[in-house]
Amino acid sequence: ELKVEQNPLFLSMQEGKNYTIYCNYSTTSDRLYWYRQDPGKSLESLFVLLSNGAVKQEGRLMASLDTKARLSTLHITAAVHDLSATYFCAVDMSTGNQFYFGTGTSLTVIP
Amino acid sequence: DAGITQSPRHKVTETGTPVTLRCHQTENHRYMYWYRQDPGHGLRLIHYSYGVKDTDKGEVSDGYSVSRSKTEDFLLTLESATSSQTSVYFCAISSTSYGYTFGSGTRLTVV
Repeated sequence: ELKVEQNPLFLSMQEGKNYTIYCNYSTTSDRLYWYRQDPGKSLESLFVLLSNGAVKQEGRLMASLDTKARLSTLHITAAVHDLSATYFCAVDMSTGNQFYFGTGTSLTVIP
Repeated sequence: DAGITQSPRHKVTETGTPVTLRCHQTENHRYMYWYRQDPGHGLRLIHYSYGVKDTDKGEVSDGYSVSRSKTEDFLLTLESATSSQTSVYFCAISSTSYGYTFGSGTRLTVV
């Protein structure tokens, strides 16, 4: 059975601190995506990672993909309150062009 | 999001009544999807379509049907709504390069 696991599920961190969210998946894939969701809103695309070793950065967020380890990370640098949201990873299994989502990481940045 | 709209945004319905949710895209994408989002479960695929009149089941398809008579429209029908179908429903279109683009969501409450 395909599994996409994120950890932690809940993360409370202080402003200015660094932290990493992990996304593990159980089968081969070269494509992984990160999304952000604010409360009551839709999902917004953050990063598209399309090959092993891919690294993307936007502001205080950096995502990477290791397809051999079946692992992606979302690193937060010097967190600010505006980063508070739920973050999802999604894996493209190339079966019917379907993406499989992790259960999400709810991030709260405390002043 | 630009290019994909869902209607209605909110709906309250009674148990046992039929409900249809609509997704409309202006991007001419081949693939369209219906997901539901529930606390603790992330996003789960209900049905997807890979072309006009071409649809397939997802992970949680029981109690739902879909139709796609035009490229731009993908309808999700709950034939006889139940309380367990209270959820937030998202429509999405996809591309390998960009991942998913989500609609704004429909919040459905079955009472």
